[in-house]
Amino acid sequence: GAGVSQSPRYKVAKRGQDVALRCDPISGHVSLFWYQQALGQGPEFLTYFQNEAQLDKSGLPSDRFFAERPEGSVSTLKIQRTQQEDSAVYLCASSLDRGADTQYFGPGTRLTVL
Amino acid sequence: AQSVAQPEDQVNVAEGNPLTVKCTYSVSGNPYLFWYVQYPNRGLQFLLKYITGDNLVKGSYGFEAEFNKSQTSFHLKKPSALVSDSALYFCAVRVRGYSTLTFGKGTMLLVSP
Repeated sequence: GAGVSQSPRYKVAKRGQDVALRCDPISGHVSLFWYQQALGQGPEFLTYFQNEAQLDKSGLPSDRFFAERPEGSVSTLKIQRTQQEDSAVYLCASSLDRGADTQYFGPGTRLTVL
Repeated sequence: AQSVAQPEDQVNVAEGNPLTVKCTYSVSGNPYLFWYVQYPNRGLQFLLKYITGDNLVKGSYGFEAEFNKSQTSFHLKKPSALVSDSALYFCAVRVRGYSTLTFGKGTMLLVSP
């Protein structure tokens, strides 16, 4: 497609369940980013990939969060043993490279943990 | 560490009037500055960016922003607001050599008919 796509758009999980969120970046984009947006806040950085290499994961809030991009295209953000504080919108963005290039965002996945 | 401040939670303006959404930043190094807009239940949509050069940057939908290094500001402006401009606006900053975007908390723009 022409833009970044994410699935599912909405996810409801019971506390303790594992979830997997998918991101399809713009074709040809080298860099891929995950952000977490809590209600009423701006997005906060989670992790960054350049091709298949995860170059920065400093924003991941705990070891329950794990991201991968095994073939340098599609990425999955996995959250294990979800907690209520994980409820947020998870945004994926991609860019051509890590220079001054603009990051283009997908529509996000709204995760609600009950 | 880098940070962005958007001092106004909400800006109200009448249609046809000029609008300004304020943004100030703090970085160690040369900044790249961005404005994004977010409509309900949608992702962030890129409006414009400052990298280098001319301090006045023009972007999508008639928006522009002025980089002011001495005041560390990057205010978003539009000469004539439209009702359809009503949305949530985010300012963001990156430092050269780093990939991470740091966002402000956002400013809700409400344009009344």
